[in-house]
Amino acid sequence: AAGVIQSPRHLIKEKRETATLKCYPIPRHDTVYWYQQGPGQDPQFLISFYEKMQSDKGSIPDRFSAQQFSDYHSELNMSSLELGDSALYFCASSGPGLAGHNEQFFGPGTRLTVL
Amino acid sequence: DAKTTQPNSMESNEEEPVHLPCNHSTISGTDYIHWYRQLPSQGPEYVIHGLTSNVNNRMASLAIAEDRKSSTLILHRATLRDAAVYYCILSGGGADGLTFGKGTHLIIQP
Repeated sequence: AAGVIQSPRHLIKEKRETATLKCYPIPRHDTVYWYQQGPGQDPQFLISFYEKMQSDKGSIPDRFSAQQFSDYHSELNMSSLELGDSALYFCASSGPGLAGHNEQFFGPGTRLTVL
Repeated sequence: DAKTTQPNSMESNEEEPVHLPCNHSTISGTDYIHWYRQLPSQGPEYVIHGLTSNVNNRMASLAIAEDRKSSTLILHRATLRDAAVYYCILSGGGADGLTFGKGTHLIIQP
């Protein structure tokens, strides 16, 4: 079965640079979620989109922005990168539609290292 | 968000049942109880969810207290591949993000 695809899998950037992470949800899934997991930390929710509209917002820094496109893929844009942004970034998808118990399917993650 | 409380770690032997408890005394009437797990170097993985009644699936069973203030995830016959961090999460559903707490680190001894 098709899974959530994230690219790139690994990314190395310098401080103050920008980075763009991409997420391709499972076919027919219309909701995308972004999570950040720092070293030794638990995953932290950043933001979600349903049908290309922002739906829920967590602890996403102002330096980060995201959007969902017409083909339902999503991109997380990160600017003015800081050392503390080094983390695993997971994308998850669910759907179709919204329900009280949508199971979220997680991708393999993008490991971002900021030097 | 309603909070959950889980033991930091638990240890069990292979091929024995495992009962992972979770307290959620401030749960609201519309919150679903979800369990996810995260194996080493992987993304979180859905295990099971429930609202009021006990639930079974191919991976596990979920026992929910009558007052819904606690629940227990049951792995009927643990294997070494079940070693992971297990998270009990309350969610109103829809496109809400999941709030991961500390979770329970499950150790399986051969």
